Amino acid sequence: DTEVTQTPKHLVMGMTNKKSLKCEQHMGHRAMYWYKQKAKKPPELMFVYSYEKLSINESVPSRFSPECPNSSLLNLHLHALQPEDSALYLCASSQEGARSQPQHFGDGTRLSIL
Amino acid sequence: GDSVTQMEGPVTLSEEAFLTINCTYTATGYPSLFWYVQYPGEGLQLLLKATKADDKGSNKGFEATYRKETTSFHLEKGSVQVSDSAVYFCALISGGGSEKLVFGKGTKLTVNP
Repeated sequence: DTEVTQTPKHLVMGMTNKKSLKCEQHMGHRAMYWYKQKAKKPPELMFVYSYEKLSINESVPSRFSPECPNSSLLNLHLHALQPEDSALYLCASSQEGARSQPQHFGDGTRLSIL
Repeated sequence: GDSVTQMEGPVTLSEEAFLTINCTYTATGYPSLFWYVQYPGEGLQLLLKATKADDKGSNKGFEATYRKETTSFHLEKGSVQVSDSAVYFCALISGGGSEKLVFGKGTKLTVNP
């Protein structure tokens, strides 16, 4: 069982819709991450939150808007997405500041843009 | 910049065969090294890790040794099972202060009965 929970597991949306992806962890981790993974590729980092503050934004288009309401929750708000945004979106968490500690991943949300 | 190079797949083996997936890296300082596994339709699971030279990570019969002199972290398993069929990613976190996880391109393993 994964310790990082992502909802929904699947999402189909039109290009004009607004939706949100949710991620929750209860491991006491203080760093949380969003990744995008296309088929047959490794995950690509999108955002990093450290102690609930955005610390890394990998030049992601503004149609993706992250939010960290508290240390256990991470959201990704989606608006006016493009077909090329269809992918698996993975959330991860880790102990912040501990370089040797691994990131723990959720099972992802598979997003399809019509 | 930091990078990870792992052998291109796909790799197809028969059950009980020996597995090696090569991984080499370029990094600032002394990175921590990881192998992640992704089963079909799932997220990534940490398989094993090593944080300093000569450390051996092991889990579920898989092993990898952190070799600083050859900048390598090859994944091995003595006898693979059908259930090991998955995509394997080698990854590092740089010793230069960044906490960004740098992935290799992934190697797809298929084990046939």
